[in-house]
Amino acid sequence: DAGITQSPRHKVTETGTPVTLRCHQTENHRYMYWYRQDPGHGLRLIHYSYGVKDTDKGEVSDGYSVSRSKTEDFLLTLESATSSQTSVYFCAISRLAGDNEQFFGPGTRLTVL
Amino acid sequence: QQQVKQSPQSLIVQKGGISIINCAYENTAFDYFPWYQQFPGKGPALLIAIRPDVSEKKEGRFTISFNKSAKQFSLHIMDSQPGDSATYFCAASYSGAGSYQLTFGKGTKLSVIP
Repeated sequence: DAGITQSPRHKVTETGTPVTLRCHQTENHRYMYWYRQDPGHGLRLIHYSYGVKDTDKGEVSDGYSVSRSKTEDFLLTLESATSSQTSVYFCAISRLAGDNEQFFGPGTRLTVL
Repeated sequence: QQQVKQSPQSLIVQKGGISIINCAYENTAFDYFPWYQQFPGKGPALLIAIRPDVSEKKEGRFTISFNKSAKQFSLHIMDSQPGDSATYFCAASYSGAGSYQLTFGKGTKLSVIP
């Protein structure tokens, strides 16, 4: 998975609890992305980062926040998890913006009860 | 809203047959069209990509056909094999300033039966 690790790989949590997912890369790529994947919806961008401390919202950002304090780490936080946030979350990285290949991590399966 | 519409949702093909997946886009600014392949329990991986300056790109058994005027592109898998059984996503983006986002289709689950 192109030097990308995600942790945890699986998590079950309860509604209302905070959750943080971590993406770690060893490729020194500038761009990092968080997607969620749901049946019938494909991959939808939550947030992305174009450098350390530089982040912006994607298509489905409500209820999520991100932080990037180092090039290699991109954190996704659900401040107060809801059942609608049950999903598989993928981190991706790319060397260039937009038209460059994005490399995806192995995913985190999150279940919110 | 930028959209990429993908069809069919699922596809069953006999071994040795041709698998065809279609995508249509709306934003004429898109100039990069990749296809991703995803196996169960794995992240998507780039399969093949095309830019609108060519109408076709071939890599092994995989071919992208691109029709700029119709705003459509398609993936053809020749001599389909059971190992090709996966979910395929088309996507699109543009290479202008501030272009960070790939817009994905909803995916096609391909099953190749022996």
